[in-house]
Amino acid sequence: AQSVAQPEDQVNVAEGNPLTVKCTYSVSGNPYLFWYVQYPNRGLQFLLKYITGDNLVKGSYGFEAEFNKSQTSFHLKKPSALVSDSALYFCAVRAQTGANNLFFGTGTRLTVIP
Amino acid sequence: DVKVTQSSRYLVKRTGEKVFLECVQDMDHENMFWYRQDPGLGLRLIYFSYDVKMKEKGDIPEGYSVSREKKERFSLILESASTNQTSMYLCASSLSYRNEKLFFGSGTQLSVL
Repeated sequence: AQSVAQPEDQVNVAEGNPLTVKCTYSVSGNPYLFWYVQYPNRGLQFLLKYITGDNLVKGSYGFEAEFNKSQTSFHLKKPSALVSDSALYFCAVRAQTGANNLFFGTGTRLTVIP
Repeated sequence: DVKVTQSSRYLVKRTGEKVFLECVQDMDHENMFWYRQDPGLGLRLIYFSYDVKMKEKGDIPEGYSVSREKKERFSLILESASTNQTSMYLCASSLSYRNEKLFFGSGTQLSVL
């Protein structure tokens, strides 16, 4: 069975500080991993994905994520948070073989405090 | 860029009504998806389609059906709406379904009274 855990419902960070949004996953075999962001009253937007290769993936708006196979984690990071980064962030996983569904986590609301 | 358009932003219906949610994408994508988003539950897949007239059940298909008569259009149907179907419904499309990203519409907030 595939699943994604986002252990924090809410993350608060001061503007200019580094931010981390955590994600762990469970999947049979190798994963495809994704991060999406949802701004207020908007649909989800793609941020970045891990398919294979380099464990550090760079994406949109200065975000990056690190794939850690031994810890089954794919945490989202940004060196310096902006107020405009405040949004709802979703981690998602899909197995490279087998089931076709993309499984989403429950989301983490990031608030960047000016 | 890809545009996924959902016909209504807000919809209010009564229990027992038949409800149609429409979604159109403009990039000739093969795959289309319907999710519902609920606080604390994240996104859950209702149905998806890999081609015209093809459909597959997702994780929570009960109470829903879908129609894909044309490649660009994917409709979600609530045959007899119930209050527990009050939710945000998100449509998405993708070029392929394994390692490609999904493009989402802005969502339809459905309230069933």
